[in-house]
Amino acid sequence: QSVLTQPPSASGTPGQRVTVSCSGSSSNIGSNYVYWYQQLPGTAPKLLIYGDSQRPSGVPDRFSGSKSGTSASLAISGLRSEDEADYYCAAWDDSLSGHYVFGTGTKVTVL
Amino acid sequence: EVQLVQSGAEVKKPGESLRISCKGSGYTFTTYWISWVRQMPGKGLEWMGRIDPSDSYTSYSPSFQGHVTISVDKSISTVYLQWSSLKASDTAVYYCARIEWLTYFYGMDVWGQGTTVTVSS
Repeated sequence: QSVLTQPPSASGTPGQRVTVSCSGSSSNIGSNYVYWYQQLPGTAPKLLIYGDSQRPSGVPDRFSGSKSGTSASLAISGLRSEDEADYYCAAWDDSLSGHYVFGTGTKVTVL
Repeated sequence: EVQLVQSGAEVKKPGESLRISCKGSGYTFTTYWISWVRQMPGKGLEWMGRIDPSDSYTSYSPSFQGHVTISVDKSISTVYLQWSSLKASDTAVYYCARIEWLTYFYGMDVWGQGTTVTVSS
């Protein structure tokens, strides 16, 4: 059972900006870093954002992360067809003895 | 190249035992924790637990505590996930992932290719 809540789906046309929200609590997002993972169909997840808003090398700057209080967001600007994937937020949770929790996941569709 | 390579797909019957593996290469294996993540068919990611290969310390999600065991053989840079008695509900893809603290603030930066486990009578 996920403790981080995401919308099931989001969509946009090529070139548009899409945002994905992630709602948590004071024990996870409110007190720890947020991560975002991208999972393309049939593949393993990939680290997209770490430390709330940092991008690993190789991740396009079209992807950006932000956090405010107990919520976080992933924004994809200049949407491209190859961005169609599932996106998961995640964080460590202090109330669960230092366990990691994933969000419910959001399917981003490029129309 | 830093990589995690997992063992191949498994088909088992309910009640059978199973151990799958995840072998690290291209980095100092004992430096970073390894997590296991479950993905049931058509569902999201679930964190199962993690192990510190340097001292074998493990931490499990409450949802998986007592149902699986995570272990390590650091002499061959390999982490294991095992079940003593499988259930049909264990059917899923299982991923191992490296938890990188030095650069990525404990994010999971390297993932295995996934191991599909099918449990059916």
